Amino acid sequence: DGGITQSPKYLFRKEGQNVTLSCEQNLNHDAMYWYRQDPGQGLRLIYYSQIVNDFQKGDIAEGYSVSREKKESFPLTVTSAQKNPTAFYLCASSIVSGGYQPQHFGDGTRLSIL
Amino acid sequence: SQQGEEDPQALSIQEGENATMNCSYKTSINNLQWYRQNSGRGLVHLILIRSNEREKHSGRLRVTLDTSKKSSSLLITASRAADTASYFCATALNTGGFKTIFGAGTRLFVKA
Repeated sequence: DGGITQSPKYLFRKEGQNVTLSCEQNLNHDAMYWYRQDPGQGLRLIYYSQIVNDFQKGDIAEGYSVSREKKESFPLTVTSAQKNPTAFYLCASSIVSGGYQPQHFGDGTRLSIL
Repeated sequence: SQQGEEDPQALSIQEGENATMNCSYKTSINNLQWYRQNSGRGLVHLILIRSNEREKHSGRLRVTLDTSKKSSSLLITASRAADTASYFCATALNTGGFKTIFGAGTRLFVKA
């Protein structure tokens, strides 16, 4: 079945450490997104990519970095510059970008600080 | 209010009752989407309604859109315990380029 796979499900970060969250899709979608969700809140956009080798900052990109070297993969690195990284991170994809098509989501990675 | 703000924040009903959730937004939209999120899981797309549509149905779901009032409602009929989840509206703005904004969601509890 086609879908989006996020790994790991749970991740712990030590002080000063960078950690990378994986996101893989086999839906052949061009657009991919990373969102951050804090308890009881909506989704905030971190980064998005409309096509391979291209990505743009979202509303809360500071302290995060991404790459899009392959169509099916869009990893997110949470750097040590992100001082409050504890959150639920969701990856999504859509056929094209622009909000005109539904987004398909993975089951998230929960990141906590040790 | 923010773009894509749901009301109420939480809703508790008995199984078999109908559940209505509302979403208000501020700026012109291309479409409005509703998603469901079960606890600890990703969002699942439920229905998309375009700005030139007034009502859409999908199974037990009915979505209405009133662009003059900048509001939408999601009705779940004959609710089941399995409908317990958070429901989010997402608005795709009419500005060109990418912009989809998610609200904070309505938490629905359906008691068996």
